[in-house]
Amino acid sequence: NAGVTQTPKFQVLKTGQSMTLQCAQDMNHEYMSWYRQDPGMGLRLIHYSVGAGITDQGEVPNGYNVSRSTTEDFPLRLLSAAPSQTSVYFCASSPAGTSGSYEQYFGPGTRLTVT
Amino acid sequence: GDSVTQMEGPVTLSEEAFLTINCTYTATGYPSLFWYVQYPGEGLQLLLKATKADDKGSNKGFEATYRKETTSFHLEKGSVQVSDSAVYFCALSDSYIPTFGRGTSLIVHP
Repeated sequence: NAGVTQTPKFQVLKTGQSMTLQCAQDMNHEYMSWYRQDPGMGLRLIHYSVGAGITDQGEVPNGYNVSRSTTEDFPLRLLSAAPSQTSVYFCASSPAGTSGSYEQYFGPGTRLTVT
Repeated sequence: GDSVTQMEGPVTLSEEAFLTINCTYTATGYPSLFWYVQYPGEGLQLLLKATKADDKGSNKGFEATYRKETTSFHLEKGSVQVSDSAVYFCALSDSYIPTFGRGTSLIVHP
């Protein structure tokens, strides 16, 4: 199993540009989520999905869109990049209760810089 | 709502020293408790977990015991190595959405 994969690993955008961060998992997990990690801020939840076709907002959803058309994929779209979106983005998945403990599996991250 | 509080870092130790990273939580239900580790430049990975009171999770020499009476899940290791240098996150979950602590940076010197 590849686990949770994310592309690209690094990205530089100019203010106003749009892009999609890709996330895929091959563990047939129901639950997937996106976090951003900033120094001193810990992990902040952006959006999450409890299954294909179902998404919801997390703590910091503004400026981001998601969709979940398949169980495997959960892309994160930046509509119009701003310097405040410079961060490290992590995708995570979870079997969400089928193992009884909701442990999270994280991807390696995408390091995004907006100039 | 649920919350996790862990000691602020960085924690700086010499190799072979004893490690404790404190974690306390508040939760309305009976959550599972986790420690995740993040090595430089990588994503978080599960280090250990405990799903009910008095359970002890262990992995790679690290241990933590689910203490319901003190609402704590402190991480311990008897003898740290330079390779243990990382950021450690305590977390709880009783639903789809986990609650994470802010993370504690551990630096181990040779």
